[in-house]
Amino acid sequence: GDSVTQMEGPVTLSEEAFLTINCTYTATGYPSLFWYVQYPGEGLQLLLKATKADDKGSNKGFEATYRKETTSFHLEKGSVQVSDSAVYFCALGNTGGFKTIFGAGTRLFVKA
Amino acid sequence: SAVISQKPSRDICQRGTSLTIQCQVDSQVTMMFWYRQQPGQSLTLIATANQGSEATYESGFVIDKFPISRPNLTFSTLTVSNMSPEDSSIYLCSEQGADTEAFFGQGTRLTVV
Repeated sequence: GDSVTQMEGPVTLSEEAFLTINCTYTATGYPSLFWYVQYPGEGLQLLLKATKADDKGSNKGFEATYRKETTSFHLEKGSVQVSDSAVYFCALGNTGGFKTIFGAGTRLFVKA
Repeated sequence: SAVISQKPSRDICQRGTSLTIQCQVDSQVTMMFWYRQQPGQSLTLIATANQGSEATYESGFVIDKFPISRPNLTFSTLTVSNMSPEDSSIYLCSEQGADTEAFFGQGTRLTVV
């Protein structure tokens, strides 16, 4: 079945460091791919998305490119801030369906 | 984008009691979803709630433990019944259209003592 695998955390970085959180997926068809972020004490909110191969989603300095050949959707940010400390979830939307499949989540700590 | 109001935001409950969580959406939506997020874990889908029909439960979740109501297209409730400490989790509701992103409520942090 469809699944999402993302790198384990926690990831601890200093402010202004480069961030990469790896995400790979297994799916039939052509799913949409998402990154969600969960700040402490809050629900999940969409960070960015890509709906087809080679699309790049971007928001708040974060980027991810839908790579069909490597079945990946890695999240990157060139310079993290303390306010980016949160849990990041990679997710896959089933083709033609309503369900979303979430990865395990990666907790990011950014130190000042 | 939908705005989902979920309440309560947190509660501490005695074992053996029940808690009902409410989700209100600011627009009519077809599908609503209930998730459990155990401490430090990802989201696990409990059930899908459709208006006018019984909820569809995922493997490992049963209606007697997690009864769900969906009286109209903007509202749903999840009840956690006969609670035990193992039910301590964050419970999240969401709505999602076909092939689109999900929108979440802010979550209910439940502690069972």
